Amino acid sequence: TQLLEQSPQFLSIQEGENLTVYCNSSSVFSSLQWYRQEPGEGPVLLVTVVTGGEVKKLKRLTFQFGDARKDSSLHITAAQTGDTGLYLCAGASRGSTLGRLYFGRGTQLTVWP
Amino acid sequence: SQTIHQWPATLVQPVGSPLSLECTVEGTSNPNLYWYRQAAGRGLQLLFYSVGIGQISSEVPQNLSASRPQDRQFILSSKKLLLSDSGFYLCAWRGAGANVLTFGAGSRLTVL
Repeated sequence: TQLLEQSPQFLSIQEGENLTVYCNSSSVFSSLQWYRQEPGEGPVLLVTVVTGGEVKKLKRLTFQFGDARKDSSLHITAAQTGDTGLYLCAGASRGSTLGRLYFGRGTQLTVWP
Repeated sequence: SQTIHQWPATLVQPVGSPLSLECTVEGTSNPNLYWYRQAAGRGLQLLFYSVGIGQISSEVPQNLSASRPQDRQFILSSKKLLLSDSGFYLCAWRGAGANVLTFGAGSRLTVL
């Protein structure tokens, strides 16, 4: 059973379009992170959200943590080819002293020129 | 600044051969260390984690083992590889009090 469900699994769009990817769970997390991974490399942290309802912006990327801290979304405005990659969400369970992160399966985004 | 190194970057091994993947972290002390496997560029499966020298916890039973002989060194091993061991192996570290993981560049293992 996957604790975090990401959707869509694949997304293929043209440069300049907007998109939103989702990360959903029935569990509550103390924090949630988004990573981007390029082929042949390790995931790189984009953002951490901690407070329910929190919105963080990173240039053209907007991240939102659900009010109940069970879900999150990532919105990209005017996508660029450099945004191509695998986007992974990961949730930290409450009370975890070992830094246990639960990863979703990821959304593979391809942005065409 | 902290850095994490993994090697080898790629490895092709026959079934039944041994395996040793190494991960080292620089610029930090007593990190929590993790080994993940990623199949077909998808989600990450936690294999092992370590909170200190000689302390290894396994998340899933499998053909692999891990060791931490030094504070900043984490090794993933197998005595006899199976075809199903193929995948992309990622090492990561976490500092005290943080829930953020920093990943290495990964090691691509192909078992033939």
